[in-house]
Amino acid sequence: AQKVTQAQTEISVVEKEDVTLDCVYETRDTTYYLFWYKQPPSGELVFLIRRNSFDEQNEISGRYSWNFQKSTSSFNFTITASQVVDSAVYFCALSERGNYQLIWGAGTKLIIKP
Amino acid sequence: DGGITQSPKYLFRKEGQNVTLSCEQNLNHDAMYWYRQDPGQGLRLIYYSQIVNDFQKGDIAEGYSVSREKKESFPLTVTSAQKNPTAFYLCASSGTGADTQYFGPGTRLTVL
Repeated sequence: AQKVTQAQTEISVVEKEDVTLDCVYETRDTTYYLFWYKQPPSGELVFLIRRNSFDEQNEISGRYSWNFQKSTSSFNFTITASQVVDSAVYFCALSERGNYQLIWGAGTKLIIKP
Repeated sequence: DGGITQSPKYLFRKEGQNVTLSCEQNLNHDAMYWYRQDPGQGLRLIYYSQIVNDFQKGDIAEGYSVSREKKESFPLTVTSAQKNPTAFYLCASSGTGADTQYFGPGTRLTVL
């Protein structure tokens, strides 16, 4: 059965600290896609990254980086030198073999204190 | 600019009334989706449409209806049969199932 687990319900750090959001997934498919979205207080979901199961290269985009490890079925997201504007709910999601229905994690609420 | 628009941003209705939420996209995407989000919760899929004139139920379709007469538009009707319609509704679109879903700004529906 497919599943996405974001075990951290809420994380609170002080500005400039590094923070890692965990995402663990379950799937029987060999072809799948993983996503991260950010939901700021305004409510709109903002796409951050899409990864396919055949590409295990880590990705870095500015202060954001993603660590994809198939051996542990994890796709973790790290924010370096966090800023108050990073405060949001972050969702991890899984799509199996092009299935239109995404499997969503419950989300992690990230609070960055000034 | 390409994107997804949802209107209105806030919607208030009396209990027992049907209400239609608008979703329009100019990204030339084939697929469109409707999600519901309750406070402090994740996203739940209501309906999705892979192509024009076709749509499928998601996990919580009861009390909702949709139509897909045009590629650009995917309106959602919240009917009086929906027992607890107060929620935040998000519309999304994608090229195919494997593609990234892009979201609109959402509509907050409050039923009084």
